[in-house]
Amino acid sequence: QKEVEQNSGPLSVPEGAIASLNCTYSDRGSQSFFWYRQYSGKSPELIMSIYSNGDKEDGRFTAQLNKASQYVSLLIRDSQPSDSATYLCAVRGGGNKLTFGTGTQLKVEL
Amino acid sequence: DTEVTQTPKHLVMGMTNKKSLKCEQHMGHRAMYWYKQKAKKPPELMFVYSYEKLSINESVPSRFSPECPNSSLLNLHLHALQPEDSALYLCASSQNREGYYGYTFGSGTRLTVV
Repeated sequence: QKEVEQNSGPLSVPEGAIASLNCTYSDRGSQSFFWYRQYSGKSPELIMSIYSNGDKEDGRFTAQLNKASQYVSLLIRDSQPSDSATYLCAVRGGGNKLTFGTGTQLKVEL
Repeated sequence: DTEVTQTPKHLVMGMTNKKSLKCEQHMGHRAMYWYKQKAKKPPELMFVYSYEKLSINESVPSRFSPECPNSSLLNLHLHALQPEDSALYLCASSQNREGYYGYTFGSGTRLTVV
């Protein structure tokens, strides 16, 4: 079982819709969870972090964490073509190492 | 200053060359990292420095040699690389290794080994 799992996509959503990205992790001792956005050929950019169960909102982005289910998600409201990128879920687990999922490619269509 | 600066942005080197990648941050972060990323794959951790000391080496071949001269600088020395080492090399930093801090990544060095 991979440590951090994501559906590779591509996930296609129309402009203005809500994009929902999901991630599961295997280490129950994981403490902190992050979402990075990576445009093709560029480096990852941190867009959300979450540490406690529940929802955390920042602008059009909402991160959701359920530690009992070992599940993290990212919602992007009012999706824009500029949101088209690969979204990497990252989990800080045992040893304080940040481990990345394989990423979900999001395409926002006009 | 909220940036991690990596140089060079692109590097082409032969298998017998020696080169170095450089990374600099002035955010007062005390943990710095090297990651390697192949196309369409997630970043893979190579090395972790905490308070200028190497704390994690993810079984990286000795042809990659990290160095942390001070709290702001991180180098990756390259020697006798193979074509399969061609990748995007990412430097990152965080306030420290522990706790709830995300990593700030540099723009990366795209390395091609010929």
